[in-house]
Amino acid sequence: QKEVEQNSGPLSVPEGAIASLNCTYSDRVSQSFFWYRQYSGKSPELIMSIYSNGDKEDGRFTAQLNKASQYVSLLIRDSQPSDSATYLCAGGDDYKLSFGAGTTVTVRA
Amino acid sequence: EPEVTQTPSHQVTQMGQEVILRCVPISNHLYFYWYRQILGQKVEFLVSFYNNEISEKSEIFDDQFSVERPDGSNFTLKIRSTKLEDSAMYFCASSPFLGGDYEQYFGPGTRLTVT
Repeated sequence: QKEVEQNSGPLSVPEGAIASLNCTYSDRVSQSFFWYRQYSGKSPELIMSIYSNGDKEDGRFTAQLNKASQYVSLLIRDSQPSDSATYLCAGGDDYKLSFGAGTTVTVRA
Repeated sequence: EPEVTQTPSHQVTQMGQEVILRCVPISNHLYFYWYRQILGQKVEFLVSFYNNEISEKSEIFDDQFSVERPDGSNFTLKIRSTKLEDSAMYFCASSPFLGGDYEQYFGPGTRLTVT
């Protein structure tokens, strides 16, 4: 079983809509999770970290962690064309991160 | 805002040659990492480094790879004898690891092309 899986995508949403991204993880992944945004040809840029069950909000982004279901999600509210990128889910600890394959989001103007 | 920097941005080398990729982590960070991303594939962990020694390494990080912190600011990745399959983007990252903060911040990357 892959350590971190992102099965949804690519995702196309109209400007102003909510984009919903999902990620599941295996038992081998430690309990800290991160969402990164990666524009084409660029490096991963940290958007959110989440360490405990529940929701965490930062501006237009909300991350949700459900450890019982081994599930992490990211909501992007009021999506903007500048949000068009690949979103990477990562799980890990101080020693390493395991990344999912990413979900490509396109926001249509 | 402090950033991780990497040099060079692009390195072209011939198969069998040695390359050294350089990174300057964020100054007050304690953990340093190298990741790579082959074109079209996911980001893969290579190695983590703390207190002047390797904390963890992946199966990719074989004897051809080594890391070093030669001074108080630089962190390097050396590939001793490059192979075609080493062509990838190599990202350096650093983490403060203070108070349970495991957030890793990535540098802009070095594109390595092995011909």
